[in-house]
Amino acid sequence: DAGVIQSPRHEVTEMGQEVTLRCKPISGHNSLFWYRQTMMRGLELLIYFNNNVPIDDSGMPEDRFSAKMPNASFSTLKIQPSEPRDSAVYFCASSFTSGDNEQFFGPGTRLTVL
Amino acid sequence: GENVEQHPSTLSVQEGDSAVIKCTYSDSASNYFPWYKQELGKGPQLIIDIRSNVGEKKDQRIAVTLNKTAKHFSLHITETQPEDSAVYFCAASKGSNDYKLSFGAGTTVTVRA
Repeated sequence: DAGVIQSPRHEVTEMGQEVTLRCKPISGHNSLFWYRQTMMRGLELLIYFNNNVPIDDSGMPEDRFSAKMPNASFSTLKIQPSEPRDSAVYFCASSFTSGDNEQFFGPGTRLTVL
Repeated sequence: GENVEQHPSTLSVQEGDSAVIKCTYSDSASNYFPWYKQELGKGPQLIIDIRSNVGEKKDQRIAVTLNKTAKHFSLHITETQPEDSAVYFCAASKGSNDYKLSFGAGTTVTVRA
């Protein structure tokens, strides 16, 4: 099993540019999570999908952030326009069904917005 | 919502000694408590978890204890080794009733050779 796959691993962009982060969950998992990790705020849940449907997006910081899951094997997190304060490591995680099942994290995308 | 506090933020131990990390939570409905280990440049990885129907769980050198009355749980690592150096996160959720994991702020553990 390849685990959760994220791309790119590193992204450096300039303020105002659009950024798209990609995630392939583990095959068979039906829950997908996007997290953001910073020194100041730790691990924050941005959005949660269950069976490809967004269930909770209350953690999405503002309208500049959007996420989609067009099918069970692919999700994107988009930031448009990006700002320097968006610089962070973004993780995708997947699991079976519910909160008491192990969440498997991807390697993360380190985003730097100049 | 759930608030998880984790202490200490950093911990340095001599190889072979034990390390203990403590967490408290606020929501008495929480019943699932996983611990994640994050190595440099990688995503968090589950190392052990405990559910509210047990008070202690052990897996080789790692053990977790839970006190539901006091709403706190702890991670114990015995006979520490250099490869135990990492950031450790505790988390809490309401289990099958809730998907959301509330994470502690993390503890950076350094094992000195």
